[in-house]
Amino acid sequence: EAQVTQNPRYLITVTGKKLTVTCSQNMNHEYMSWYRQDPGLGLRQIYYSMNVEVTDKGDVPEGYKVSRKEKRNFPLILESPSPNQTSLYFCASSLRDTTMNTEAFFGQGTRLTVV
Amino acid sequence: AQSVAQPEDQVNVAEGNPLTVKCTYSVSGNPYLFWYVQYPNRGLQFLLKYITGDNLVKGSYGFEAEFNKSQTSFHLKKPSALVSDSALYFCAVRDLSLSGSARQLTFGSGTQLTVLP
Repeated sequence: EAQVTQNPRYLITVTGKKLTVTCSQNMNHEYMSWYRQDPGLGLRQIYYSMNVEVTDKGDVPEGYKVSRKEKRNFPLILESPSPNQTSLYFCASSLRDTTMNTEAFFGQGTRLTVV
Repeated sequence: AQSVAQPEDQVNVAEGNPLTVKCTYSVSGNPYLFWYVQYPNRGLQFLLKYITGDNLVKGSYGFEAEFNKSQTSFHLKKPSALVSDSALYFCAVRDLSLSGSARQLTFGSGTQLTVLP
């Protein structure tokens, strides 16, 4: 089954304790991205990756890091989480094409609470 | 810069009635437009997209959307709502006038649709 898998689904952590949210896709997609979803703000892009070893900042990258060492995985790293990073996070992937008209596939989300 | 507006945070409709979820966009060039649906505790699922061609686009679960260039709108519609359609709906846009990495997907703030039995 084609899917995007995120782990963990739920996470409660303390301020300053480094964490990683994993994302893996099995569709051989080149393009992957991370979003955070907050009430009234919709989805805002954190980082994206056009291909292996190619990453770039989205609209709200502060406090986050990513890596793309292999095509299927795109982990999101919070080196020193803060309470304002409490949010619902989604990983997404899509085929990369020059016109960018392909739809994105989303993971089920990770609800992060930083206390 | 590209942007999307969903003017209604909440839409309520009775089962069996037609539904409309509104979306307007702003881009410099031609848009690619998308609708996604999010059911509780789930990720976003693709519903439909407008790329080019017919202004009326048909998608999953009986939904359709009409692209109106003069009004810069892309409203989501369904002739007869079901209780199971209750979910959070997101409109999204890509601006084709932007190049390379700037051509990212921008989402609206979402509209909660509730279909009442």
